[in-house]
Amino acid sequence: SQTIHQWPATLVQPVGSPLSLECTVEGTSNPNLYWYRQAAGRGLQLLFYSVGIGQISSEVPQNLSASRPQDRQFILSSKKLLLSDSGFYLCAWSVPVGGANVLTFGAGSRLTVL
Amino acid sequence: AQSVTQLDSQVPVFEEAPVELRCNYSSSVSVYLFWYVQYPNQGLQLLLKYLSGSTLVKGINGFEAEFNKSQTSFHLRKPSVHISDTAEYFCAVSSMNRDDKIIFGKGTRLHILP
Repeated sequence: SQTIHQWPATLVQPVGSPLSLECTVEGTSNPNLYWYRQAAGRGLQLLFYSVGIGQISSEVPQNLSASRPQDRQFILSSKKLLLSDSGFYLCAWSVPVGGANVLTFGAGSRLTVL
Repeated sequence: AQSVTQLDSQVPVFEEAPVELRCNYSSSVSVYLFWYVQYPNQGLQLLLKYLSGSTLVKGINGFEAEFNKSQTSFHLRKPSVHISDTAEYFCAVSSMNRDDKIIFGKGTRLHILP
């Protein structure tokens, strides 16, 4: 069966420090991978998605970047965190089901920037 | 492009009462529709999905939703809620393009009152 791992679960970082959140998927190959951010009262904001190794699409201009060094690994990074980067970050993967991309989410990483 | 509107940010309901969470979407093409649930400090879990066929879709935990194309709606219902249904519920839409993004509504927080 497929599983998705996301870490760290909780992170407290000072402003200006770097960030690395990692996500790996097991039990599937060539998935679409996604990073979402969830801020209070604002729903889910799609940050990045990837349809293959090295292929990253950015949805909103921001202080973050993403990389996909392996088929089932997706990394969210920042060189210098801002206060506004605080939030709950969710990794997800999908493969087509009946033609649709059905998302499966990780447990999330809560980032607090102080 | 697609969009999703969840009309209620919060819905209080007494335990064992019925509930309906509203979702309307906008799209110029045919779509897939989803409902996800998020329990506190967790990732999102798929409740149900509409891909094609019967417009009444049954999901997990006794929830169901009805796709209404003329009203562009996909409301979620449960005939009798339990305290364990306390969570945030997200409606989502995507076009039938395999590589298209899934767009989420801002969520509805369901409060179950004793």
